[in-house]
Amino acid sequence: AQKITQTQPGMFVQEKEAVTLDCTYDTSDPSYGLFWYKQPSSGEMIFLIYQGSYDQQNATEGRYSLNFQKARKSANLVISASQLGDSAMYFCAMREIQGAQKLVFGQGTRLTINP
Amino acid sequence: DTAVSQTPKYLVTQMGNDKSIKCEQNLGHDTMYWYKQDSKKFLKIMFSYNNKELIINETVPNRFSPKSPDKAHLNLHINSLELGDSAVYFCASTPQTGRMNTEAFFGQGTRLTVV
Repeated sequence: AQKITQTQPGMFVQEKEAVTLDCTYDTSDPSYGLFWYKQPSSGEMIFLIYQGSYDQQNATEGRYSLNFQKARKSANLVISASQLGDSAMYFCAMREIQGAQKLVFGQGTRLTINP
Repeated sequence: DTAVSQTPKYLVTQMGNDKSIKCEQNLGHDTMYWYKQDSKKFLKIMFSYNNKELIINETVPNRFSPKSPDKAHLNLHINSLELGDSAVYFCASTPQTGRMNTEAFFGQGTRLTVV
């Protein structure tokens, strides 16, 4: 069964610093996709970045990049030059190609950017 | 135009009542989901429909009944509401199963409070 683990319940970072949010996963499926979502205090779920299990390069989207280490089964989100508006809950999620392909989420990390 | 819309956004009701949450997507997606986010922010999948067919039914009390009249709509009906049903319920959609790199688009959530 697929499993996603985010071990950092909360992170505090100074504005303009880079921050890494950890995500490890467990799956026996060779084909899967990894996603990061942001949930600000307003409550909506915002898609940030995607990494496929067969992708050769780490995904990047603007200030977001994904540090994908397949052998270690980790998919950490890196936010460069953090901004006050980055304060939010961040969720890592995975979808396997087998079965019903449901999107399973980690517990989330609450990121607070200090001015 | 809102891609995935849920109504109502807030729902306060008494224990024992029956209530429904509606979800509509105008993205032409084939697959729709219901997620429950508890007070600790944990997101758990409840149901998934693909072209009106139920494909995921997690361990959810049978007081919860999803209905999909067409592939653009997925409603959630809850009978005999209990205090523990209080949560935020998210509807989401994806283009189709079988594609790993498609993120789920989420509605704005429905905050259900049972008193």
